[in-house]
Amino acid sequence: AQSVTQPDIHITVSEGASLELRCNYSYGATPYLFWYVQSPGQGLQLLLKYFSGDTLVQGIKGFEAEFKRSQSSFNLRKPSVHWSDAAEYFCAVGARGGGNKLTFGTGTQLKVEL
Amino acid sequence: EPEVTQTPSHQVTQMGQEVILRCVPISNHLYFYWYRQILGQKVEFLVSFYNNEISEKSEIFDDQFSVERPDGSNFTLKIRSTKLEDSAMYFCASRILAGGPPDTQYFGPGTRLTVL
Repeated sequence: AQSVTQPDIHITVSEGASLELRCNYSYGATPYLFWYVQSPGQGLQLLLKYFSGDTLVQGIKGFEAEFKRSQSSFNLRKPSVHWSDAAEYFCAVGARGGGNKLTFGTGTQLKVEL
Repeated sequence: EPEVTQTPSHQVTQMGQEVILRCVPISNHLYFYWYRQILGQKVEFLVSFYNNEISEKSEIFDDQFSVERPDGSNFTLKIRSTKLEDSAMYFCASRILAGGPPDTQYFGPGTRLTVL
């Protein structure tokens, strides 16, 4: 069965600092991987996705993520965080075949200090 | 930009009552989903729906739950007899493709269900 682990429940960074949010997955084949962001009271917005090809993927809002098969990881990075990036970030793995359901991690709450 | 919409944004109901949560997926999308997020917990898959039938469902999606696409635009989730533990945010999602890579699922803003 597929699963996702986000080991950091809360992270606090200063505005302008770099950010890395960790994500480890478990899946029996090459995974489909996603990062979503959820602002308070809002739905889930897709930041970026990995299906195949280049293991470094670029997303919206200046985010990027790198797929590392050897480490079963898909960490999210941003070189310089803005106060508006404060939100909850969810990593998800998508099943191949069938309905392609998403399995989410528990999320990382990002706080940005001014 | 097209988006998934959900109504109502907040639903309060008494335990044992039936509720229907409504979603309007993006118009040319073929696959529809319901997920839920209990407060403070992760988002969990409930059910996927394609070609007017359930494609996959989780163990959470028991006989108390049902889904329907009553017309060409709406996608509904019905909870027949609500329990306290059904209190959660319910997200609808849709995606354009059937089969092949899992094209992006677009999520609605959610309906917060509170069961008293």
